[in-house]
Amino acid sequence: KNQVEQSPQSLIILEGKNCTLQCNYTVSPFSNLRWYKQDTGRGPVSLTIMTFSENTKSNGRYTATLDADTKQSSLHITASQLSDSASYICVVSRGGVTGTASKLTFGTGTRLQVTL
Amino acid sequence: KAGVTQTPRYLIKTRGQQVTLSCSPISGHRSVSWYQQTPGQGLQFLFEYFSETQRNKGNFPGRFSGRQFSNSRSEMNVSTLELGDSALYLCASRGDFSGANVLTFGAGSRLTVL
Repeated sequence: KNQVEQSPQSLIILEGKNCTLQCNYTVSPFSNLRWYKQDTGRGPVSLTIMTFSENTKSNGRYTATLDADTKQSSLHITASQLSDSASYICVVSRGGVTGTASKLTFGTGTRLQVTL
Repeated sequence: KAGVTQTPRYLIKTRGQQVTLSCSPISGHRSVSWYQQTPGQGLQFLFEYFSETQRNKGNFPGRFSGRQFSNSRSEMNVSTLELGDSALYLCASRGDFSGANVLTFGAGSRLTVL
């Protein structure tokens, strides 16, 4: 069964600290992995997209890593800011399937709260 | 470039009623997909439309339906509402059907069923 599991479910950190969010998946065949940020009351916004051959990709203070062998990804946030408070969703795309949206498997997200 | 627009943003219905949600994709985008988001289940795929045709459908009952118009705007309808239909309904658009582009989501329609 194609699944995406994220940990932790929720996380509270102090402003300025770093944190790492985890994503494990069993989706096969693998096509790509995306991290989305979803602010409360808003739709998800794409942070990074990684294909099989990419190990690391950065977007400002966000750095995503991918280990396709162990089927794990992480999202590292450096020097956190209050505006980083949001849910972070890991989305894995299956290869070899016609159609775009139907081949996406979503994690349930990690809710991050950055406090003073 | 305007983003994905969903209306209404919030609505309250009672059990047994029906509801229609609207989604206007980014100008030029022809693919629209719909998702249901609940705290425990995360995002669940409902259906996807491209060029006015439903291309894929998720595992939802027939009470959930949708359509796409010639201008790519899409609507989804839920009939005979149940309490469990309370959720954030998100729509996303992309430029084509190939899967190469990233989904752009709207802000969602928050449905509460009483």
